[in-house]
Amino acid sequence: AQSVSQHNHHVILSEAASLELGCNYSYGGTVNLFWYVQYPGQHLQLLLKYFSGDPLVKGIKGFEAEFIKSKFSFNLRKPSVQWSDTAEYFCAVRVSGTYKYIFGTGTRLKVLA
Amino acid sequence: KAGVTQTPRYLIKTRGQQVTLSCSPISGHRSVSWYQQTPGQGLQFLFEYFSETQRNKGNFPGRFSGRQFSNSRSEMNVSTLELGDSAPYLCASSSQGELFFGEGSRLTVL
Repeated sequence: AQSVSQHNHHVILSEAASLELGCNYSYGGTVNLFWYVQYPGQHLQLLLKYFSGDPLVKGIKGFEAEFIKSKFSFNLRKPSVQWSDTAEYFCAVRVSGTYKYIFGTGTRLKVLA
Repeated sequence: KAGVTQTPRYLIKTRGQQVTLSCSPISGHRSVSWYQQTPGQGLQFLFEYFSETQRNKGNFPGRFSGRQFSNSRSEMNVSTLELGDSAPYLCASSSQGELFFGEGSRLTVL
């Protein structure tokens, strides 16, 4: 069965620190990849997505992610975090052509001002 | 364009009761999916509907069911509630492969 692993469950950073959140999936075929963010008290919203093409994807609020097919990874990065980035981040995978999305367990990021 | 609307936002039930949650997708979206969100497990897929047909189902017991109406609105029902069913339930509508989430219905079972 397909699965998505987010190895960092809780991350605490100071403002201006760099961020990298890991995401690995298990499926050998073509996938669509997503990062969603849930700010405190708000609904989940899309940060960025990868369907095809350039494996380095840029999203909103300065986030980017790199798809490395050989490593089955789609890590999220931000060079300099802000206090407002405090949120829970979810990686998700959809097997191309299907209608089922598989989410990771989430990473809670706390940025200290 | 209005977003995904879920009702009710909060509800409290007791064990053994049943509950129905409602989801109105973004106008024009025909696919609606449901997720249970729990700490440590993230979002667990319940089911997905498109044009009133269930296309996919997750690994939840038969107490969890859903349906979709001709206007794409969807409902999910949980019968014989258990304490472990307490969680936010998220609905998402989708377009071109992207999910758009509602704010969730937070169910507490006492």
